[in-house]
Amino acid sequence: EAGVVQSPRYKIIEKKQPVAFWCNPISGHNTLYWYLQNLGQGPELLIRYENEEAVDDSQLPKDRFSAERLKGVDSTLKIQPAELGDSAVYLCASSPGGLAGSYEQYFGPGTRLTVT
Amino acid sequence: GNSVTQMEGPVTLSEEAFLTINCTYTATGYPSLFWYVQYPGEGLQLLLKATKADDKGSNKGFEATYRKETTSFHLEKGSVQVSDSAVYFCARADTGRRALTFGSGTRLQVQP
Repeated sequence: EAGVVQSPRYKIIEKKQPVAFWCNPISGHNTLYWYLQNLGQGPELLIRYENEEAVDDSQLPKDRFSAERLKGVDSTLKIQPAELGDSAVYLCASSPGGLAGSYEQYFGPGTRLTVT
Repeated sequence: GNSVTQMEGPVTLSEEAFLTINCTYTATGYPSLFWYVQYPGEGLQLLLKATKADDKGSNKGFEATYRKETTSFHLEKGSVQVSDSAVYFCARADTGRRALTFGSGTRLQVQP
């Protein structure tokens, strides 16, 4: 079974430019997460989707970050405009979800963003 | 708020040594607890989990026991290998948010 797929794996951009990350979760997983991982730190939640609905986006900096999961499968996370402090690894994870769903989450390899 | 505290690394051991990585969590509710491992250049992989007090999670020779009385979930392995070199993250599941709160990670370096 394929795992969580993310692209690109690496991205280098200049500050003030836009950038987008793409995630394809494990087939059948209703819950999708985007996490931010700074160097030397654990991941921190940015947003959680249940199917196509963003049910927890309280940690997403909405002035510059946006996300979508239009058909309840793939998701895109966008930053516009990027700032130097956005340099980090952006992780996507998925989970079976649902009322009786497991809390186990399965992570993709991440996108390492460098803003210069 | 909910938090997870891990021992700072790096932890450097010789091959076949005994490993303990300490993890404690804030005692809000009865969270599920997890250990994830991140090998160089790879994403996080679920290593083991425990969902209630006194549960023992185990995988690949690693073990961790959910200790409610000490709010701990320490990771142990009896004999580490060079291939175990990685960063290990302890995490708790936040029931209401259905999200994971991670510790800051502990880097393990195993020398031959």
